[in-house]
Amino acid sequence: GAVVSQHPSRVICKSGTSVKIECRSLDFQATTMFWYRQFPKQSLMLMATSNEGSKATYEQGVEKDKFLINHASLTLSTLTVTSAHPEDSSFYICSAREAWQETQYFGPGTRLLVL
Amino acid sequence: QQQVKQSPQSLIVQKGGIPIINCAYENTAFDYFPWYQQFPGKGPALLIAIRPDVSEKKEGRFTISFNKSAKQFSLHIMDSQPGDSATYFCAASKRDTGNQFYFGTGTSLTVIP
Repeated sequence: GAVVSQHPSRVICKSGTSVKIECRSLDFQATTMFWYRQFPKQSLMLMATSNEGSKATYEQGVEKDKFLINHASLTLSTLTVTSAHPEDSSFYICSAREAWQETQYFGPGTRLLVL
Repeated sequence: QQQVKQSPQSLIVQKGGIPIINCAYENTAFDYFPWYQQFPGKGPALLIAIRPDVSEKKEGRFTISFNKSAKQFSLHIMDSQPGDSATYFCAASKRDTGNQFYFGTGTSLTVIP
């Protein structure tokens, strides 16, 4: 149980284009989903928290107009990187949590490379 | 400000050894402490978690020791195997911030055959 999927697993795009990453909870209802960014050999950096049906809460320094988050259902959240630039290249990981639970279950991550 | 401090940064042990990874925190409001294992290019996977009302929790070869007064907790891996070679992250959370996780900086473990 508690499986979270992400799609795509890897994406390469040209600078200036937008990329959408999907995060799905496969066997539970995720009232809250989190989006993280991870640089090589570093810890996970929380970008934003999204509750189903509400606007996402972004961490300080994360541009909400650049990283658009939608959490329209209890099993799906999407992160759209708009007008991507090479400095946006990174490993993006989502996690999901059920209501009233502390545990976060992580997706396998999406490797984004912006050329 | 790093809310959770993790050490060591890297660790090398022989197969069968018992690596110990330590984490410390300052905020006494934290009430949930999970450990995650991450392999290269993969997402973190939950290993084991503890709440502050117990001092030790064991699941298979993984044990968490928790010292509430010292505000420290540690992960012990019994009979370590080469397949345990991965990066390990501790984390802490509290309910009043929506259970947001504060992660440690990670420990890269290598188990030599």
